[in-house]
Amino acid sequence: DADVTQTPRNRITKTGKRIMLECSQTKGHDRMYWYRQDPGLGLRLIYYSFDVKDINKGEISDGYSVSRQAQAKFSLSLESAIPNQTALYFCATSDPTEISTDTQYFGPGTRLTVL
Amino acid sequence: AQSVTQLGSHVSVSEGALVLLRCNYSSSVPPYLFWYVQYPNQGLQLLLKYTTGATLVKGINGFEAEFKKSETSFHLTKPSAHMSDAAEYFCAVSEAGGYNKLIFGAGTRLAVHP
Repeated sequence: DADVTQTPRNRITKTGKRIMLECSQTKGHDRMYWYRQDPGLGLRLIYYSFDVKDINKGEISDGYSVSRQAQAKFSLSLESAIPNQTALYFCATSDPTEISTDTQYFGPGTRLTVL
Repeated sequence: AQSVTQLGSHVSVSEGALVLLRCNYSSSVPPYLFWYVQYPNQGLQLLLKYTTGATLVKGINGFEAEFKKSETSFHLTKPSAHMSDAAEYFCAVSEAGGYNKLIFGAGTRLAVHP
C-alpha cells in the first residue's frame, strides 16, 4: 500500500463550487505539505503543517484553506473554485528527525479541473 | 530568497547517450539540494540529494549530481540514457537547517529516443 494517498485522483467541478482534496499518510510523519503543479512553473507551496496544531501559509495560499485533522490527515479546500485553480495538486510529508533530513515523500497527485 | 533555474524545459537524447540536466540555484544560506523525478501519471520520487559532505552525490537509477558552490550549480547526469529514463525532472532547494520548505525549478522533460 502507498505511504501517502490522495483522494480523489481526478475531479472536474464548476466555478463557485466548494472542493476538498484529502491526503492521508501512514509514514508517521509530523510534517505535511500541499503543492500545486502547473506546466512550466514547477511545484509551488500552498500550505504546510509541522504538527497538528501548526498551520502555515505557503507562497500561493490565496483562495485555499487547509485542515489538519490528525497527524495522518491533511485536507486542502477550495472554498469557491475558479478556473485558474485548475492544476495538479500534490500532498507531501517529511520527518525532520530522519537521518535523511528534509526528504519529502509525495502522494500520487489529484488532477483538478475547474470549468 | 531562494530560487531555482532549470535550463531547458525539454531535453532529448538518444538511448545510450549522456544525460545532462542543468540546475542553478540562488540561496543566501547553505542550501540543501534535491533532484526529483516524475514519471507519467505519478507523484514525485526523490532521485538524490545533497546536504553536507561529499559534493558528488549518487542517486538511484545510475544518476548523479555534483554540488558546485562557486558556480551555484547542481547539474544532474547519467552516463548512458535508457528509454525508461523518460520523465520530468525537478531540481529543488531548501535552507539547511531551516523549515524544510522546498523551492522547485520549473522542470525539465527528458525524452529518450531509440
